[in-house]
Amino acid sequence: GAVVSQHPSWVICKSGTSVKIECRSLDFQATTMFWYRQFPKQSLMLMATSNEGSKATYEQGVEKDKFLINHASLTLSTLTVTSAHPEDSSFYICSAPALAGPYNEQFFGPGTRLTVL
Amino acid sequence: SQELEQSPQSLIVQEGKNLTINCTSSKTLYGLYWYKQKYGEGLIFLMMLQKGGEEKSHEKITAKLDEKKQQSSLHITASQPSHAGIYLCGAAKAAGNKLTFGGGTRVLVKP
Repeated sequence: GAVVSQHPSWVICKSGTSVKIECRSLDFQATTMFWYRQFPKQSLMLMATSNEGSKATYEQGVEKDKFLINHASLTLSTLTVTSAHPEDSSFYICSAPALAGPYNEQFFGPGTRLTVL
Repeated sequence: SQELEQSPQSLIVQEGKNLTINCTSSKTLYGLYWYKQKYGEGLIFLMMLQKGGEEKSHEKITAKLDEKKQQSSLHITASQPSHAGIYLCGAAKAAGNKLTFGGGTRVLVKP
């Protein structure tokens, strides 16, 4: 099936620094990508929808100035956690819908574990 | 928003036994996705159901969607330790749309 990659797979940073997470669709184009956050022992919560060529759409309660999203191309979306704090420590997962050809599903990246000290 | 209730929250089953996980929506779904996740890892796509009454099987896993497209079940036959993990159902309102997830079901298979 289609592949979505994320980089880095894990990151540890100091409080107050910014961290960038990349999400790439490797063998298909994605005009839309989704960013989710998962806290320990909880399910995935949608944070925002990343749109190529336009602004991201954020879910209620998600601070757009803190979680900056840039959909730079049809295969790349980035999530930047600005001025990270320990409460931002979480597992961040992106997904991209693949609707062309044999696909009709959402493909998820392997996730990025962020730990803020 | 589209609410998804998943049950049970956790399940411990003896190896070789069957198990069933349910996912119920308050609204009619466009598509219902089932994923498996190992803790701290990404999601593994299992199946996607779109038509009312649809049923799909892969190896020992069968997923069904009811006629009203509001309830789905995931059934594992003769469970094995490899089936252990977190099972998540996700619902989409339209093609290529964002997914809303249920709370997840943690499955442990005892050898």
